[in-house]
Amino acid sequence: EVQLVESGGGLVQPGRSLRLSCAASGFTFDDYAMHWVRQAPGKGLEWVSGISWNSGSIGYADSVKGRFTISRDNAKNSLYLQMNSLRAEDTALYYCAKGWSLVVDYYFDYWGQGTLVTVSS
Amino acid sequence: DIVMTQSPDSLAVSLGERATINCKSSQSVLYSSNNKNYLAWYQQKPGQPPKLLIYWASTRESGVPDRFSGSGSGTDFTLTISSLQAEDVAVYYCQQYYSTLSITFGQGTRLEIK
Repeated sequence: EVQLVESGGGLVQPGRSLRLSCAASGFTFDDYAMHWVRQAPGKGLEWVSGISWNSGSIGYADSVKGRFTISRDNAKNSLYLQMNSLRAEDTALYYCAKGWSLVVDYYFDYWGQGTLVTVSS
Repeated sequence: DIVMTQSPDSLAVSLGERATINCKSSQSVLYSSNNKNYLAWYQQKPGQPPKLLIYWASTRESGVPDRFSGSGSGTDFTLTISSLQAEDVAVYYCQQYYSTLSITFGQGTRLEIK
């Protein structure tokens, strides 16, 4: 059974940093691209970032480019999102999602339950 | 970026009736080399993560009831629920994965029972 478990969310002040993690199990992690998708309270889905199976291809939404960094550790079956210079508008539930293929540009077939990030002073 | 626009923003349909949700992309998501539309549909129920329903615009994910169907090509797509059930109350999103390293979702359509 595929499982994606996010962690690392919490309350953080504007301008500070936070690192999210996603622990994956139930599939061969290094055979698939992985993604972060966020959902602000009461709002729709926004793709944040995606990373290919070998970290060779990475994409970011314009809203986070230059502030967020996605990475993965295939030996630990883990995905990460380093979030710097956080803003109030980054407040959201952050989902980890499994891509359908090795590369970034495909749909997402499994999602975690999400971890909540609140940016407020 | 490819902008995805769904219509309507919300709709109410009677149990057993047909529900239709539309999705329009700002540019074609049809990849000519393989004739595939890079378009997916997701269902999100309250308090739950999204669930994949449809990919390649019309291929139903395993386990998804056959009352759900997807159609369309190029820039115009439709998700149809042929006979609405109570458990179909949710928000539905379309997503394009055509644009390299730039995935985008529609704003969502809220489906309720009339």
